[in-house]
Amino acid sequence: GAVVSQHPSWVICKSGTSVKIECRSLDFQATTMFWYRQFPKQSLMLMATSNEGSKATYEQGVEKDKFLINHASLTLSTLTVTSAHPEDSSFYICSARDPRVTYGYTFGSGTRLTVV
Amino acid sequence: LAKTTQPISMDSYEGQEVNITCSHNNIATNDYITWYQQFPSQGPRFIIQGYKTKVTNEVASLFIPADRKSSTLSLPRVSLSDTAVYYCLVGDVDKYIFGTGTRLKVLA
Repeated sequence: GAVVSQHPSWVICKSGTSVKIECRSLDFQATTMFWYRQFPKQSLMLMATSNEGSKATYEQGVEKDKFLINHASLTLSTLTVTSAHPEDSSFYICSARDPRVTYGYTFGSGTRLTVV
Repeated sequence: LAKTTQPISMDSYEGQEVNITCSHNNIATNDYITWYQQFPSQGPRFIIQGYKTKVTNEVASLFIPADRKSSTLSLPRVSLSDTAVYYCLVGDVDKYIFGTGTRLKVLA
């Protein structure tokens, strides 16, 4: 139980194009989801908090117009990287509160984005 | 959110017990301590969580002293497949801020 599915697992796109990453809670409802990015050999950096039915809350330094987040249902949040550039190449991970664990979270398997 | 401090890296040999300590001097009364494991190119995976004293599950034990300003994750008899990054997180709010984590390398 408490599975978060992330899709795609990897994507390669051309510079200037947009890429959408999906995050689904498969067997529970997630009113709040979180998006992280992770560069090689570094820790996860929280980008934004995605709230169902309302605007996402972005962390300081994260461009909200570049990283569009939509949380249209209780089981789906999407992250769209707009006008992607090579510096956006990274590992993107989503998470949601794990209903089985006090203050615990379950994470998706991540999406490796490569912009060429 | 309580800031956490962990060793950057550790090496161990197969079959040994590994203890990773995390410092969280500013832990709040309502904070829980949670440990995650992350393999390369995968999302973090929950290992164990505790509030005080000792917690044990099928994969690890978590020791928390009375002052709760630190915690120790204990992995019994590690194998090569335990090579990963281990994160200690502390909080009671609706988001996690990850620290540097501890990169554990298990050697044959």
